[in-house]
Amino acid sequence: DQQVKQNSPSLSVQEGRISILNCDYTNSMFDYFLWYKKYPAEGPTFLISISSIKDKNEDGRFTVFLNKSAKHLSLHIVPSQPGDSAVYFCAASDNYGQNFVFGPGTRLSVLP
Amino acid sequence: EAQVTQNPRYLITVTGKKLTVTCSQNMNHEYMSWYRQDPGLGLRQIYYSMNVEVTDKGDVPEGYKVSRKEKRNFPLILESPSPNQTSLYFCASSLSRNPYNEQFFGPGTRLTVL
Repeated sequence: DQQVKQNSPSLSVQEGRISILNCDYTNSMFDYFLWYKKYPAEGPTFLISISSIKDKNEDGRFTVFLNKSAKHLSLHIVPSQPGDSAVYFCAASDNYGQNFVFGPGTRLSVLP
Repeated sequence: EAQVTQNPRYLITVTGKKLTVTCSQNMNHEYMSWYRQDPGLGLRQIYYSMNVEVTDKGDVPEGYKVSRKEKRNFPLILESPSPNQTSLYFCASSLSRNPYNEQFFGPGTRLTVL
């Protein structure tokens, strides 16, 4: 059973609009959550993270929201740009890295 | 430039023919790991290494071996590849296993086992 789920395999958004990528997890021991971005023929790169003691973390156009009671996090990209088109992986971990799990990914397409 | 390199980038082989995928990092990182990426499953950890001569199984270690004789290198060995090992493989490194330390990934190796 997957501990980290991204139920939308793909998402298309118009340039300039908001992109919202969702992630759900099942393990209540997860304390740290990350988003990675992956372009074709490249490895994933770290994008943004959030600790369970926070409910929001912002970095430029990227904001991650965490709802611990619902075991749900989301990544907001505002405004979306064509260069944001990539696969986005949600990941979750305990505080020690002993259980670090990636979700299956969501392919975002930002249309000009 | 700080980076993780993998070779080869693409490999087509046949069942049972031993192969090695190399991984090297130039950031003096202690922690290194191997992942495989399959459609609908995300990245799953195969093996990891906390430091030189210290390796341990990840979530999907069957059919794989690793070694860590030097800090910078962490090769992945498939002694007898099978078609179910056809996948996209990533090597990663970070300062430590602590998730607050960013993991840096290599560009990937696409392996096809016929």
